[in-house]
Amino acid sequence: GAGVSQSPSNKVTEKGKDVELRCDPISGHTALYWYRQSLGQGLEFLIYFQGNSAPDKSGLPSDRFSAERTGGSVSTLTIQRTQQEDSAVYLCASSIAAGPNYGYTFGSGTRLTVV
Amino acid sequence: GQNIDQPTEMTATEGAIVQINCTYQTSGFNGLFWYQQHAGEAPTFLSYNVLDGLEEKGRFSSFLSRSKGYSYLLLKELQMKDSASYLCAVRGLSGTYKYIFGTGTRLKVLA
Repeated sequence: GAGVSQSPSNKVTEKGKDVELRCDPISGHTALYWYRQSLGQGLEFLIYFQGNSAPDKSGLPSDRFSAERTGGSVSTLTIQRTQQEDSAVYLCASSIAAGPNYGYTFGSGTRLTVV
Repeated sequence: GQNIDQPTEMTATEGAIVQINCTYQTSGFNGLFWYQQHAGEAPTFLSYNVLDGLEEKGRFSSFLSRSKGYSYLLLKELQMKDSASYLCAVRGLSGTYKYIFGTGTRLKVLA
């Protein structure tokens, strides 16, 4: 696609429920990243995919968080048993390759609110 | 530890010049990036520095001093549409392609 597409754009869920957030990167971009942005905080790295594998998942805050990427394209971030502290904007970004010279293209994010 | 510091808020007048500073302490250095983020929107890439010196791109310039762990973003001929948050981000250890982001500087441009 023309840009990085994320869905849903907004999600309100009850505490304890599971949620799935989807990211559709730019076609041909091999590197995909998930970040989250909480109010007053900087963007926090969650996980990085190169193709379908995740060489760096060091930012996932707990084992309630998992992510996968299939076909070197779409990625899904799953949060199980959501907690109120999971409320944030979840941003996905892709780049044509993984390397120091390559800036990201971000999606518009999914605003998750846990009530 | 790893730390990126930038001012929380700045205000400037339309047509003026503003400089947004960023200092960093990271484990290794593999480039410094500036992103612009309008409220409710995705961050968009502005500039990238890996060597010391000034990179100019139209009204926007970015400077880097690796020995001082310091960068700034310079915005000239400010326009109302420049009101946004400006995010400083550093790529750390070689082979680690993630960014460490600062909390962002919210710039308000006044008429």
